[in-house]
Parts: sequence; structure tokens; C-alpha cells
Amino acid sequence: DAKTTQPNSMESNEEEPVHLPCNHSTISGTDYIHWYRQLPSQGPEYVIHGLTSNVNNRMASLAIAEDRKSSTLILHRATLRDAAVYYCILHGGATNKLIFGTGTLLAVQP
Amino acid sequence: DVKVTQSSRYLVKRTGEKVFLECVQDMDHENMFWYRQDPGLGLRLIYFSYDVKMKEKGDIPEGYSVSREKKERFSLILESASTNQTSMYLCASSLRGLTPGNTIYFGEGSWLTVV
Repeated sequence: DAKTTQPNSMESNEEEPVHLPCNHSTISGTDYIHWYRQLPSQGPEYVIHGLTSNVNNRMASLAIAEDRKSSTLILHRATLRDAAVYYCILHGGATNKLIFGTGTLLAVQP
Repeated sequence: DVKVTQSSRYLVKRTGEKVFLECVQDMDHENMFWYRQDPGLGLRLIYFSYDVKMKEKGDIPEGYSVSREKKERFSLILESASTNQTSMYLCASSLRGLTPGNTIYFGEGSWLTVV
């Protein structure tokens, strides 16, 4: 099964952009790249997903490398409410099985 | 509003007890999942189900079983609870199929303490 690798933690200042990296060198052609985040004492919530092209939504942007072996979640202006654990997930289209990375704990400083 | 509801938010059980964790989703999803989450280990898949009465083992199925008698309900069973099963348990659901990256919806989590 394809795995993802993320830094354990990152720090950012409020209102600055944040780039959260994820490596997935064994990704298969049918795997979608999802990002979820988890606030303290809550279940994870969906942030964004993509397959090959870069994606934007109201929460974030997802930049996917041309070879799809890595991706970056971009928060354009971090707020204190963005402090959470961010998970990069490969969603296997062929099997529908979720494969979680280790997650990155994002701290946002005021 | 989509919803995955876990019946118990906090439970305390004794070693050797049989424990049921219930999960219900109201989105008519085919896929349902049970994860456990432990500090430093992230989320680990215990079991998942892609249809009624169908199940597949995840990465850490030992000590657990599951039941899916109805599409909307997925139960996690600890036949004989042990202290190393103290954890937060997360239920999730999603549509099945090769549609573009189905979103996965999680419940709020169930904190289980086995004493």
C-alpha cells in the first residue's frame, strides 16, 4: 500500500502563508491525494483533494508535483483557528481504502 | 448537513468486558471505517466495510470484530477489552466507487478507557 510522509510539526505566524509538504513516492495511478485536518478533541475534517492538477477552494490550495510523488497544502493566510494536525491521505480509487500519513502538527503564532 | 454519529463520546470499561462502539451515518454511504488514534501513532485502520455484511481487515484488526447488518450502521466490538485498547476510536464513511476522490466524513470520536 502506498504511504505518505509528512514533517511531525511546523510553525507559522498569523496571517502568513503556510506550505505543508507531503511525500508519497509509491503513489499509484488511481490514488487521489486528500488533505484533512483535525482540531483538538474532534474528528478529522475534509480540507481539499486532487488527482493530478493543482486545486483551489475556499480553505486552501493543493499543489501536486508533476510526477505525483509529492504534494503541498497551501494555507494562504494562516489564522489561529488553523492550528491543527494536518493529514495527507492517499485515497485508493481501486480499493477505497484510506491510508493515513503521520500528520503534521501546525502551530500558529499570533 | 452530512453526519456520522458515534453513540458514545466517553466510555470507561473494565478489563475483560465486551464493548460495543456504535456508528451511524445518514448519507447512504457504502463505505464505513473504524480507526483508532493514539499519540505518536496517528490514525490506524482497524476494519472497513464496503457493503452490508461485508468487511475487510485493516492494519490492526487483532482483538476487534465488526458488524454491519444495515447500511447506515457499523459497529466495532471488543470481545474482551484490554488496557492496551484504551484509545480514541473514530468512525468514518464515504461513497464507494471510482468517482473523483470521494470525501470521507468522520465522527467526533469515542474515547475509551479500559481499567
